[in-house]
Amino acid sequence: KAGVTQTPRYLIKTRGQQVTLSCSPISGHRSVSWYQQTPGQGLQFLFEYFSETQRNKGNFPGRFSGRQFSNSRSEMNVSTLELGDSALYLCASSLRQEASDTQYFGPGTRLTVL
Amino acid sequence: AQSVTQLDSQVPVFEEAPVELRCNYSSSVSVYLFWYVQYPNQGLQLLLKYLSGSTLVKGINGFEAEFNKSQTSFHLRKPSVHISDTAEYFCAVSVIGSGAQKLVFGQGTRLTINP
Repeated sequence: KAGVTQTPRYLIKTRGQQVTLSCSPISGHRSVSWYQQTPGQGLQFLFEYFSETQRNKGNFPGRFSGRQFSNSRSEMNVSTLELGDSALYLCASSLRQEASDTQYFGPGTRLTVL
Repeated sequence: AQSVTQLDSQVPVFEEAPVELRCNYSSSVSVYLFWYVQYPNQGLQLLLKYLSGSTLVKGINGFEAEFNKSQTSFHLRKPSVHISDTAEYFCAVSVIGSGAQKLVFGQGTRLTINP
């Protein structure tokens, strides 16, 4: 089975722009979660989607949003980019929406905001 | 709220030596415990997880961890490390019965293996 794929792998944007990141989960997985990884804050939960519905959201401003499609693919969007949004954005998928389920992570999208 | 503390930000060891990476957590509710590894320029990979039962959990690549409820710890160990174990290791928790996939991570421990 193919793993979690994320596109693009690298992205450079300027302040004020917006960006959309894409995540394709492992086939059959219905839950997708997003995390932000930075040297200062570490790994932080952004949001979780299951059956096209956002189930949980982390403590991030409204500029961060996402969605999930009927085929479980997910996108996250960041509007009005700030320098502090530079980070590695990781997507993870799992079979079910259970706290015990293993989350399988993609390689991430590295976003640089200039 | 839950929090995870990884007591060492960096751990240097020699090849074939044993290693222990320490993790303590704080939570007012019961949690599941996980250890993930991140190799350079890659995503996270699950090493092992504790859900219930035996407090000693064996994972991939020869790693094991022991859950200690009284000390709220979940330390990761390997009896003999290899150069290929050089990576960053993350301890994480999720809340039992929450119906949520949200993982709360520690700050990570960078394991460096010296020949």
